[in-house]
Amino acid sequence: EPEVTQTPSHQVTQMGQEVILRCVPISNHLYFYWYRQILGQKVEFLVSFYNNEISEKSEIFDDQFSVERPDGSNFTLKIRSTKLEDSAMYFCASSGGPSVYGYTFGSGTRLTVV
Amino acid sequence: LAKTTQPISMDSYEGQEVNITCSHNNIATNDYITWYQQFPSQGPRFIIQGYKTKVTNEVASLFIPADRKSSTLSLPRVSLSDTAVYYCLVGRDDKIIFGKGTRLHILP
Repeated sequence: EPEVTQTPSHQVTQMGQEVILRCVPISNHLYFYWYRQILGQKVEFLVSFYNNEISEKSEIFDDQFSVERPDGSNFTLKIRSTKLEDSAMYFCASSGGPSVYGYTFGSGTRLTVV
Repeated sequence: LAKTTQPISMDSYEGQEVNITCSHNNIATNDYITWYQQFPSQGPRFIIQGYKTKVTNEVASLFIPADRKSSTLSLPRVSLSDTAVYYCLVGRDDKIIFGKGTRLHILP
């Protein structure tokens, strides 16, 4: 079964540092997403990406965040100047079409900001 | 996406059938009902989707009454490994908005 792969599985960074979370979506998928889940809380939508541009973003996704699909296979989330409250699980997802059906999520990157 | 209401938590025992009901009174005509499952420290996983009546796959069944204002996810003969959070989603938009889900705890 095709998988969405995320690296690293766990990253620890110092407050104020920049981090890049990496994702390899399923190869024939066209829609890409980032979500985050703070410990004990619900999964929150950050951003959706299609045709090499952001199609929608939440209020959480401010200027601190950016996404990129640098080479046609990777999909990255960059967090500039991390804050303690950015500590969370970050999930990448991809889908073949614009529908809630058929999202495939990765196993996540646990980001710990110290 | 239509607002959904589901129990915060449920307990059941191994081997039992578990039914989780979700209310979605404001479901629109073109909305689908989709359920996702999330194990601890993992990403959500699609379980099942339906529009009306009954849908069954190898994992679960989804029962939807004629008025579509609610739906019931049925897990047959649960095991300890079915302990997870189950999310009911209603809509057809291009992004998933998760609620708090139902935390299902299976006891031995």
